[in-house]
Amino acid sequence: GESVGLHLPTLSVQEGDNSIINCAYSNSASDYFIWYKQESGKGPQFIIDIRSNMDKRQGQRVTVLLNKTVKHLSLQIAATQPGDSAVYFCAENPFNAGGTSYGKLTFGQGTILTVHP
Amino acid sequence: GAGVSQTPSNKVTEKGKYVELRCDPISGHTALYWYRQSLGQGPEFLIYFQGTGAADDSGLPNDRFFAVRPEGSVSTLKIQRTERGDSAVYLCASSSSGGRMPQYFGPGTRLLVL
Repeated sequence: GESVGLHLPTLSVQEGDNSIINCAYSNSASDYFIWYKQESGKGPQFIIDIRSNMDKRQGQRVTVLLNKTVKHLSLQIAATQPGDSAVYFCAENPFNAGGTSYGKLTFGQGTILTVHP
Repeated sequence: GAGVSQTPSNKVTEKGKYVELRCDPISGHTALYWYRQSLGQGPEFLIYFQGTGAADDSGLPNDRFFAVRPEGSVSTLKIQRTERGDSAVYLCASSSSGGRMPQYFGPGTRLLVL
C-alpha cells in the first residue's frame, strides 16, 4: 500500500548546526502535509504544515520544503538546540475515495534527532 | 488556551476486561480523531468524528473497539474484552474543521493489558 517513509531513522547534530529531516511519500493524492515533534512520553506536537499548492513554507526557525515531482518533503531546523532533540514525524493527508479530504493522517516511522551540546 | 486533554494518562488492565479512554478536545474544534501508537511507530488512524457523528471508522481494528462523541465535544474510546495486543498509546487529536487543518494532539493514554 502507499505510505509515508523517512530516509534517515536517526540524525545527530551539534548545537547550533542546521538540521534537515527528510520524508518520502508515495500517495500522489495527498494534498496536505504536517510535521510533528514528539518527545518521550508526550503526544505529537504540531510544528508546521504545508498544502500541496505550495513548495515552501517558513516558521520560526523551521522551514518545510515540498517537492511534488519526486514526492519528497523535508523539514529544516535552523540553529538546532538541545531542546529540539525528539522524534520527528511527517504525516500526509490524502483525499479519500470520495474525493474529499478530512484529515485522516498517515504517519511515517519517524526520525530521531539528537542534538549534542 | 487549554489543549487536548486525555484521561487516564495510564491504564493497566487485565486481559478480557473493558476499558474506556476519554478525550476532551480543544474548545470549539468540530473534528476529533483517535489514533493508536505502538512503540517505535508513528500514530495509526482509528476513527474520525465531525461533530457527533463518526465520519470514518475504517481504522478501528475490530468490533471490540467503539467510540462515541454524543454531544460533539468529549469523546470516549471503548475497548471490550481487551487483549494483550491492544497495549499501546492511544492518542486523541482535534482540529477546527477537519480537512486541511492542523491536528493538535493530547498527551495520550498509555494502555497496558496484562
